[in-house]
This record gives sequence, C-alpha cells and structure tokens, in this order.
Amino acid sequence: NFMLTQPHSVSESPGKTVTISCTGSSGSIASNYVQWYQQRPGSAPTTVIYEDNQRPSGVPDRFSGSIDSSSNSASLTISGLKTEDEADYYCQSYDSSNHGGVFGGGTKLTVL
Amino acid sequence: QVQLVESGGGVVQPGGSLRLSCAASGFTFSSYGMHWVRQAPGKGLEWVAFIRYDGSNKYYADSVKGRFTISRDNSKNTLYLQMNSLRAEDTAVYYCAKDYLFYGDYGSFYFDYWGQGTLVTVSS
Repeated sequence: NFMLTQPHSVSESPGKTVTISCTGSSGSIASNYVQWYQQRPGSAPTTVIYEDNQRPSGVPDRFSGSIDSSSNSASLTISGLKTEDEADYYCQSYDSSNHGGVFGGGTKLTVL
Repeated sequence: QVQLVESGGGVVQPGGSLRLSCAASGFTFSSYGMHWVRQAPGKGLEWVAFIRYDGSNKYYADSVKGRFTISRDNSKNTLYLQMNSLRAEDTAVYYCAKDYLFYGDYGSFYFDYWGQGTLVTVSS
C-alpha cells in the first residue's frame, strides 16, 4: 500500500520560512493530487493546499505547495511565519491500488 | 454555508456496535461523495470509508473492512457509519467529510469540508 512520510516536527522563528516535506513510499507521488491540512488543537482539520498547489479562498498566499517528482515528494512552504501558524500539518493523497485515502503521519509546527 | 454535524458517539464495550450519523446542510448532499475519517487520541488522521453520491460505490480502509458499513439517506441529507465488532483500537474522534468532486463516480479524495467530530471510546 502507498504511504506518505512526514517529519515528526519542525520549528522556526516568526517571519521566517519553513518547508514541510511529504515523501511517497512507492510509485509516483505525482500520479494523484496531494492535499495539505492544518489542524489546531481541539479542532477539525482545514485545507491549506489542495490539488498539489491550489489555495482555497481565505488561505493567505504565504502558504504554497509543490511536487518534486525526482524525490517523489510533496512540500508545503509557509513564508512570513506567524505564531498563529503553529499547528499540526498533514499531507494526504489517494492510493489507487486499493481505492483508499492516505494521510502522512503529521508534522507539528512550532513557531517560536 | 456547508455544515456537517456528527452525532452518535459514546462509550461501548469491545465487541459492541455503534451507529454514527452526520447531518449535512448548505450544499446539495445528493451530488457529492462523502467520507469518514478518524483520529485516535494524540495520533494522526486515518481515512475510514467513502460512499459515492448515490450510494452505489463504497470503499473501506483495510482496518475496518468487514466490520464497518457506510451508508447514506439522500432524502434526509444524512451520512451514517455502522460500526460492529468494535475493538479498543477503534477508539477515536470520527469526522465526516465532504468530497470535493461534484458527481464524482470514484471521489476525488480531497476532503474540502469537515464536521467537528464525535468521540467513540471502546472500553470495558
């Protein structure tokens, strides 16, 4: 089965830029769209990036997504970090081998 | 605006059953596939099941296949998850989520709206 691997945690200072990676286990990560969700404690996830690099309305352009086929990975980049960006971030895609959704393990972003 | 409200969670003994509901509003429910996603306490997100907009296609995670059944009643704008033979490892917050794709036969597996979740605890 297809799996997505994320770093457990990342930290950066306010105003800086951070990139969170999401690496596919097999096949090509570019074969299916990747989404990124933000989850704050006690709340449901919300979308920050969908279809690899699209931002829903209301999500600031400080958030961007990309795919790197050479490393079979997706990345979420947050620039101009704010303390309010502190949250868990999950990448997600589709496993066509078993018609299932797949999530990365999540990355805890600390802004300090 | 889109609203998804889950209900039916609670405490159940191992081997027991529970049915979750998700009341949808703010969009044409019968035109979109729907999902259940769960999150064990302190853990990450896990996709559980998908149902096509008309109920004719259903997919399940291996961890729940044969024990859980997803269904929907488009006349009531409601999604269900029937959970049988529950195990301790099924303890989680269960979210219903709307699929992004309009009339998608197989779903896009992009969850554009989520409910607030309902907690299921399996314990003796």
